[in-house]
Amino acid sequence: RKEVEQDPGPFNVPEGATVAFNCTYSNSASQSFFWYRQDCRKEPKLLMSVYSSGNEDGRFTAQLNRASQYISLLIRDSKLSDSATYLCVVSGNTGKLIFGQGTTLQVKP
Amino acid sequence: GAGVSQSPRYKVAKRGQDVALRCDPISGHVSLFWYQQALGQGPEFLTYFQNEAQLDKSGLPSDRFFAERPEGSVSTLKIQRTQQEDSAVYLCASSSLGGYKGELFFGEGSRLTVL
Repeated sequence: RKEVEQDPGPFNVPEGATVAFNCTYSNSASQSFFWYRQDCRKEPKLLMSVYSSGNEDGRFTAQLNRASQYISLLIRDSKLSDSATYLCVVSGNTGKLIFGQGTTLQVKP
Repeated sequence: GAGVSQSPRYKVAKRGQDVALRCDPISGHVSLFWYQQALGQGPEFLTYFQNEAQLDKSGLPSDRFFAERPEGSVSTLKIQRTQQEDSAVYLCASSSLGGYKGELFFGEGSRLTVL
């Protein structure tokens, strides 16, 4: 079983839609959680950190459920520019960051 | 430039050749990471440097892979006797903090194709 698992998608949604991505992780000792965004043939970039209390950044909301070892990302009012791969990232035993496979989002006009 | 710089951007090697990939991190960044990203997959951790010290090389897939950062800035990832399964994008990232902390800033990657 992979340490960080995501549904690869693709998720095809119309502009303005709300879409949610989920991620599960296997290491209960993980301490740090992030979502990174990767555009096609580009490098990953930090989208947001994920905190236990949940956090919001504009149209993006991240949630963490430690008991279920589950992380989510909600995107409201999707824009064409949101089309990308969203990578769930979790710290491993030594603290190194472990990336999920990524979930691809395609927002259509 | 202000970002992480990697070279070459593209490299085609014949099976059995040695390759060297260079990473120039953001100036002053303490931590440097190498990741391998196969097509359709997320980045896989290879190795981590804090300044010139290689603190974690647990992700290097075989002894054909070797990385160094002799002066605590530029790093080189060397792959000896390349195999087809080595074909991937090799991403370098740096962070201003030590100990796996802080935001990772990635370079655009070196895309290696082994024929």
